[in-house]
Amino acid sequence: DADVTQTPRNRITKTGKRIMLECSQTKGHDRMYWYRQDPGLGLRLIYYSFDVKDINKGEISDGYSVSRQAQAKFSLSLESAIPNQTALYFCATSGSGNTIYFGEGSWLTVV
Amino acid sequence: DQQVKQNSPSLSVQEGRISILNCDYTNSMFDYFLWYKKYPAEGPTFLISISSIKDKNEDGRFTVFLNKSAKHLSLHIVPSQPGDSAVYFCAASGVYDYKLSFGAGTTVTVRA
Repeated sequence: DADVTQTPRNRITKTGKRIMLECSQTKGHDRMYWYRQDPGLGLRLIYYSFDVKDINKGEISDGYSVSRQAQAKFSLSLESAIPNQTALYFCATSGSGNTIYFGEGSWLTVV
Repeated sequence: DQQVKQNSPSLSVQEGRISILNCDYTNSMFDYFLWYKKYPAEGPTFLISISSIKDKNEDGRFTVFLNKSAKHLSLHIVPSQPGDSAVYFCAASGVYDYKLSFGAGTTVTVRA
């Protein structure tokens, strides 16, 4: 089983709908992240959390919100999805060092 | 404005030859650098890293070189194998920053 699990792996949603992407990890790491990947732009940080009571905006947080329900769980919500939020989303974790470990990704298409 | 830049979107190399991937950064506070490899339908996986106190780090066929004065790093893969065909991302972070800034990625294709 993957150490960082994302659900759903694929989702098609309509413009204006609320969508939640969930992430859980078994690595015991305190730090968790949400990134999105777009062609030609690489991976960009949306939100990050260094412990359960800590939430921080990344470089592209507009239109997104997060919830850190427990050390192992970090969910990303799109309050009102729009087509340019169509992307591949990655949850990631890190422990004591700088290396972060990614989940398998969630493809989101907004039509 | 991207602080980590990979200016070559793609690289094609013959099996057995050397692959050289380049990365430039603009933030002088970056002091830890990583390379990730990504296959289609999978998440990026950590490949190799280097801290600013070093100028070279090797792990098997993979070597990363860091030139701090030029704000440039490179990844050498020798010899290149078909399984190395993937997207490679360069990433960087500052001291105690624990957030990574990524480049746009370079797609490597190893030809038989």
